[in-house]
Amino acid sequence: DAKTTQPPSMDCAEGRAANLPCNHSTISGNEYVYWYRQIHSQGPQYIIHGLKNNETNEMASLIITEDRKSSTLILPHATLRDTAVYYCIVRVGIYNFNKFYFGSGTKLNVKP
Amino acid sequence: NAGVTQTPKFRVLKTGQSMTLLCAQDMNHEYMYWYRQDPGMGLRLIHYSVGEGTTAKGEVPDGYNVSRLKKQNFLLGLESAAPSQTSVYFCASSGMEATGELFFGEGSRLTVL
Repeated sequence: DAKTTQPPSMDCAEGRAANLPCNHSTISGNEYVYWYRQIHSQGPQYIIHGLKNNETNEMASLIITEDRKSSTLILPHATLRDTAVYYCIVRVGIYNFNKFYFGSGTKLNVKP
Repeated sequence: NAGVTQTPKFRVLKTGQSMTLLCAQDMNHEYMYWYRQDPGMGLRLIHYSVGEGTTAKGEVPDGYNVSRLKKQNFLLGLESAAPSQTSVYFCASSGMEATGELFFGEGSRLTVL
């Protein structure tokens, strides 16, 4: 599986958009980008995933560059409850079994 | 809907003792996983299972054994606990649906003295 690189921490003002970057320069054509987050010491929570196209759901948007070497998770209106560690993961296929490898993630601090 | 349930939530062991962590899921998922998370670090995969009766090693399998005798249960065993195994353990499961989403339990905090 391709490895990912994320900044260790970021700050964001409450109500503003939080843009979390992820580099995955060794990603291959059939690898998907997934984002999870972990609030306090809870189990990680799925946010969104994508392959090539930008994706949006009720939680966030995922922007993947055309060369697929990087992506950005966007939380459009961050709240204090969005303070968490965000993990970017690349994974081969959806229908094929594969392991999810979590890196160290980005600690997002949403401030009032 | 219980989802993924881990027992126990907390446990303190002495070096050399053995114990088993139980993970149960009620979503009829094929795939199950055990991760550990040390302070300030991400999750590392210990073992996983692609179906009843199967298990495989992840990134950090040494010192652990697993069993998947029933589809809904995935057991993680420590035969001789060591202080280096002090950690928070997370179980997860996933199905074969399009999202391949992982569902996590609440975690089990283990301290080995």
